[in-house]
Amino acid sequence: GAGVSQSPSNKVTEKGKDVELRCDPISGHTALYWYRQSLGQGLEFLIYFQGNSAPDKSGLPSDRFSAERTGGSVSTLTIQRTQQEDSAVYLCASSYYTDTQYFGPGTRLTVL
Amino acid sequence: TQLLEQSPQFLSIQEGENLTVYCNSSSVFSSLQWYRQEPGEGPVLLVTVVTGGEVKKLKRLTFQFGDARKDSSLHITAAQPGDTGLYLCAGTSGGYQKVTFGTGTKLQVIP
Repeated sequence: GAGVSQSPSNKVTEKGKDVELRCDPISGHTALYWYRQSLGQGLEFLIYFQGNSAPDKSGLPSDRFSAERTGGSVSTLTIQRTQQEDSAVYLCASSYYTDTQYFGPGTRLTVL
Repeated sequence: TQLLEQSPQFLSIQEGENLTVYCNSSSVFSSLQWYRQEPGEGPVLLVTVVTGGEVKKLKRLTFQFGDARKDSSLHITAAQPGDTGLYLCAGTSGGYQKVTFGTGTKLQVIP
């Protein structure tokens, strides 16, 4: 079956603009994660959805960041009033409950 | 906040050499994973270790989980150019298995 897909693959935006990043998880997976990765370094946890439970938003760096997951499937990460420090690769992963996480290819965000 | 420190951060070696990457924390994890990530792609799981002292082998890669489940190591024997990539450890803990990723080790194997 298809893996995790993310769109767009690259996004260049101007400082102050809003952006939306999309993640399509593997069908049937209950959990969805968003991470941020800067300059090929480790992954920074952002937010975690598990089924119908309230999401764990503890990793969101500021209130400019938000995410939703519609119908327990597709997720959108929104960054409002983007700043240059938001430039990074945003990775999405999905899993069946707490089993192995499968990652998408990421969206590279550049804020000019 | 749980932290996983990896060392070294960068490693450039000749083909055929051996190497070890370390992943250390002051926190106890219920399991620990190792991932490899290539440029432009997401991380791909290599192995999961769950028992203190556990050793797992994957061809030329040997993974060990520390007795206290706070640290892990990855040893590569006779490295090949195809081993080049970013290696990430990740620890799992908590009731819903929250995952904390390490700082990463960038490996370059020169032919």
